[in-house]
Amino acid sequence: DSGVTQTPKHLITATGQRVTLRCSPRSGDLSVYWYQQSLDQGLQFLIQYYNGEERAKGNILERFSAQQFPDLHSELNLSSLELGDSALYFCASSAGTGVRSGANVLTFGAGSRLTVL
Amino acid sequence: EDQVTQSPEALRLQEGESSSLNCSYTVSGLRGLFWYRQDPGKGPEFLFTLYSAGEEKEKERLKATLTKKESFLHITAPKPEDSATYLCAVRGRGTSYGKLTFGQGTILTVHP
Repeated sequence: DSGVTQTPKHLITATGQRVTLRCSPRSGDLSVYWYQQSLDQGLQFLIQYYNGEERAKGNILERFSAQQFPDLHSELNLSSLELGDSALYFCASSAGTGVRSGANVLTFGAGSRLTVL
Repeated sequence: EDQVTQSPEALRLQEGESSSLNCSYTVSGLRGLFWYRQDPGKGPEFLFTLYSAGEEKEKERLKATLTKKESFLHITAPKPEDSATYLCAVRGRGTSYGKLTFGQGTILTVHP
């Protein structure tokens, strides 16, 4: 157990629907990151939050949004789902401080597998 | 744009047969090269961070090295439990700490 908790583990839904993925970071970690892993694209960075504020954005679609709440858990919202959104969605956390400190090591959760039919 | 290419895509070894995995990268100002291990159905697990050419890190049967253009993950006398996908990632200058660019990974299978 990495200490990063993601729910649900599996989710099957239909095109056009909206889903919410949830992530609880490791105790004490202030940064949360969302990554998408698909067979053709590999692991792709989506977005980062640090202590409730958005810090960095990757190639996240406009149909996707995220937020980090005061208790530091984060949610990734995926809307108007398409077949191509089927993937593993990983949340990671880190303490988020320093340049070369171990605090910047990302700890990943077990992922949420989304299947869009 | 940062790029990471890993080779081979898949590697099959006999138990005890040492080998190396390659990670070639292109990045504007390397701020860290990371190796992760990923088991089926699980998230990536951190192995090493390397920051500058010539740096080496070791952990059990694994040793990671870094040059200005590539990194190697050397596996000495591997065991079946070393079977996993090994991912390489980089962070470039000016990017957020957790915004990593990953390679496609090398699937390692170690047969007993």
